[in-house]
Amino acid sequence: GAGVSQSPRYKVAKRGQDVALRCDPISGHVSLFWYQQALGQGPEFLTYFQNEAQLDKSGLPSDRFFAERPEGSVSTLKIQRTQQEDSAVYLCASSWDRDATNEKLFFGSGTQLSVL
Amino acid sequence: QKEVEQNSGPLSVPEGAIASLNCTYSDRVSQSFFWYRQYSGKSPELIMSIYSNGDKEDGRFTAQLNKASQYVSLLIRDSQPSDSATYLCAVNKFTGGFKTIFGAGTRLFVKA
Repeated sequence: GAGVSQSPRYKVAKRGQDVALRCDPISGHVSLFWYQQALGQGPEFLTYFQNEAQLDKSGLPSDRFFAERPEGSVSTLKIQRTQQEDSAVYLCASSWDRDATNEKLFFGSGTQLSVL
Repeated sequence: QKEVEQNSGPLSVPEGAIASLNCTYSDRVSQSFFWYRQYSGKSPELIMSIYSNGDKEDGRFTAQLNKASQYVSLLIRDSQPSDSATYLCAVNKFTGGFKTIFGAGTRLFVKA
């Protein structure tokens, strides 16, 4: 595709429900990032992948959050037993190569998660 | 202390004025600095990057970097109502690869 694609665009979950958010990066992009953005805040880093390797998951808020990118392309962010504080926009971004410090990020449209 | 600090604003300037946005960062070894613009309900988009001390100009935008002071700024000349958005300062940090850390953003309103 031409850009980073995320689905679903909106997700409403009941507290305690599991959710899965999908990100399809730009073809050929090596690096993939997940960010969480609360209303009125900047994107907060969650985790990133270089190909299929998860190099940094220090931003995941709890063990309820899990991300994978098994074939080095599509990634899924899974949140188990959702809580109200998980309500946010989840942004996925990709870039060509994380070994180059000047690489910019290309963002998807995000998934807005609302936990009731 | 947050790794990237910005004044959340809002910053309000009249049309045609210069808007000045500021950012400080805590990691002295950071090498790459970015300004992203985010319209309400949209995703961030890159507008400027800067890697060396000094100024970098691109159209109406000028990014300024002072590594000794750990300070980055963005000037927007001849501000237009369409510049009204949140401006996110971002810094790359090395953790096995480079990850991008964002500030909370400064909201800018340009009044017609």
